[in-house]
Amino acid sequence: AQSVTQLDSQVPVFEEAPVELRCNYSSSVSVYLFWYVQYPNQGLQLLLKYLSGSTLVKGINGFEAEFNKSQTSFHLRKPSVHISDTAEYFCAVSGANAGGTSYGKLTFGQGTILTVHP
Amino acid sequence: NAGVTQTPKFQVLKTGQSMTLQCAQDMNHNSMYWYRQDPGMGLRLIYYSASEGTTDKGEVPNGYNVSRLNKREFSLRLESAAPSQTSVYFCASRSMTSGSGDTQYFGPGTRLTVL
Repeated sequence: AQSVTQLDSQVPVFEEAPVELRCNYSSSVSVYLFWYVQYPNQGLQLLLKYLSGSTLVKGINGFEAEFNKSQTSFHLRKPSVHISDTAEYFCAVSGANAGGTSYGKLTFGQGTILTVHP
Repeated sequence: NAGVTQTPKFQVLKTGQSMTLQCAQDMNHNSMYWYRQDPGMGLRLIYYSASEGTTDKGEVPNGYNVSRLNKREFSLRLESAAPSQTSVYFCASRSMTSGSGDTQYFGPGTRLTVL
């Protein structure tokens, strides 16, 4: 079983400021980690994912995240946000077996609403 | 490619009515999923289908049934709707190709209100 905790339900920031959205997970097996973004009244769009390899993952729209196994974290960062980044962000985890094959079922965090102010 | 499509976009039901939410994908994916999204709870898995001909329960299956009609289509049925099923429903399909890795692609959602 696995779980995901997003530590902030809402994050307000000013335009061009840096932002970090925090995500912690727990799992008894190996994991794959994802960040999705949801713009108002739309479906979810993949921002980035960690499957293996380098722990620093770069995604679309200038976002990046770092997988920290010892702290069981996968925080999302952007050095300078824009008004258009206003959206809800979801962290998700998928368990994998010892051979690295994903079980394919995503467990989502509660979501963080990022609001960028001018 | 249309990706993942869902119909209808909006629906209002009365308690006890039934309806089927439709989902189709044109990406030739084997696995498909149904989630519900409620404020402050993220997305929760209702049912999934790892491949054509198979379906399994997720985290919140009570009150729902599914049908994997063929590789493209995966429908969700509410036999007797309850106000607790008021939610936004998302369908997703999963790519396992070497190029995209393990990624789920989501439809635009169906906003359901049960009165």
